[in-house]
Amino acid sequence: QKEVEQNSGPLSVPEGAIASLNCTYSDRGSQSFFWYRQYSGKSPELIMSIYSNGDKEDGRFTAQLNKASQYVSLLIRDSQPSDSATYLCAVNRGNSGYSTLTFGKGTMLLVSP
Amino acid sequence: DTAVSQTPKYLVTQMGNDKSIKCEQNLGHDTMYWYKQDSKKFLKIMFSYNNKELIINETVPNRFSPKSPDKAHLNLHINSLELGDSAVYFCASSPRQGRGETQYFGPGTRLLVL
Repeated sequence: QKEVEQNSGPLSVPEGAIASLNCTYSDRGSQSFFWYRQYSGKSPELIMSIYSNGDKEDGRFTAQLNKASQYVSLLIRDSQPSDSATYLCAVNRGNSGYSTLTFGKGTMLLVSP
Repeated sequence: DTAVSQTPKYLVTQMGNDKSIKCEQNLGHDTMYWYKQDSKKFLKIMFSYNNKELIINETVPNRFSPKSPDKAHLNLHINSLELGDSAVYFCASSPRQGRGETQYFGPGTRLLVL
């Protein structure tokens, strides 16, 4: 079983719609979860971090975490063409105190005008 | 600008050569990382240093040797380059080494081995 799984997409949504990106992880000991956005040819940039079960909102972005189901998602409201990018789910795994991120392969999001 | 920077941005070289990539962060962070992103865009940790000390060494061939002269710099030297080393190499840093720490990425070095 892959450690962090995401649907590779592309996920196509019209401008103004809600985009829903999903991620599952295998290590039950994982405690920190991150969503990064990566534009083509650029480096990953942090969108959201979430550590507790439930929802966390920041502007148009909402991260949702369900540790029992080992599931984390990112909702993007009022999607804009500028949101078109690959979204990487990252999980800080394991029992050590080290900050080791395991990334999913990313979901490509395409927002059409 | 406060940031993570890498040099060079692009590196094209022949198989068998040795090359180095440099990384610097002026964020005052204690921990730095090297990641490799392959042609399928899969981003994978290679090494992590905390205050110049190697703390994570994932299963990377020993042709790859990181070096941290101080906590603001982390360099990556690659010996005997192979075709499969072609990838984008990202440096990152985080304030500390804890599991909740956010990592900030540099712009990447695009390595092409011919």
